[in-house]
Amino acid sequence: AQKITQTQPGMFVQEKEAVTLDCTYDTSDPSYGLFWYKQPSSGEMIFLIYQGSYDQQNATEGRYSLNFQKARKSANLVISASQLGDSAMYFCAMRESMDSNYQLIWGAGTKLIIKP
Amino acid sequence: GAGVSQSPRYKVAKRGQDVALRCDPISGHVSLFWYQQALGQGPEFLTYFQNEAQLDKSGLPSDRFFAERPEGSVSTLKIQRTQQEDSAVYLCASSFLGVSYEQYFGPGTRLTVT
Repeated sequence: AQKITQTQPGMFVQEKEAVTLDCTYDTSDPSYGLFWYKQPSSGEMIFLIYQGSYDQQNATEGRYSLNFQKARKSANLVISASQLGDSAMYFCAMRESMDSNYQLIWGAGTKLIIKP
Repeated sequence: GAGVSQSPRYKVAKRGQDVALRCDPISGHVSLFWYQQALGQGPEFLTYFQNEAQLDKSGLPSDRFFAERPEGSVSTLKIQRTQQEDSAVYLCASSFLGVSYEQYFGPGTRLTVT
């Protein structure tokens, strides 16, 4: 079974609109971390935002916020006021504390294109 | 300090050649990961180092793949007798130890096997 599921292969959004990228996860580990990364066409993975499983509040970083719904095992990324530079691949990933290597488990990604 | 660096950025190899990919992690980061990313897909785990110890190599696709980190800093991923299916971007990441720490990625090495 997939541990990280991103159901939107691609999205087109008008500039300045908000956009929500979906991510659901599957784990039995009570302690885990959820990450979103951005990968522009240049190829580098850029960390955006982190949510810990015990965090009481949803994480926010500038225009990025994470809509964390623990019971639903959902960790959607919300980008407010989208910009042309937001066009990129977006990956949701998870680290589990039971995994002593703390490797990132990745979703398939969502390709976001911002239209002017 | 500087971020994670990788070299070369691009590598073209003829089938059957050996290649070596280098990763220079962020100073002080205990953990180092290698990932393989095929076009249009998410990264796939290859191997993990904690300092100089290779604790997990379960993701290496065959015994042609070998990685080392002899002094607990710079790491090298070596692929022997390259095959066309080895063509991918190889990403290196480093981090502190623990579930809450983000991994910092290098720019990747794009390997094309002809």
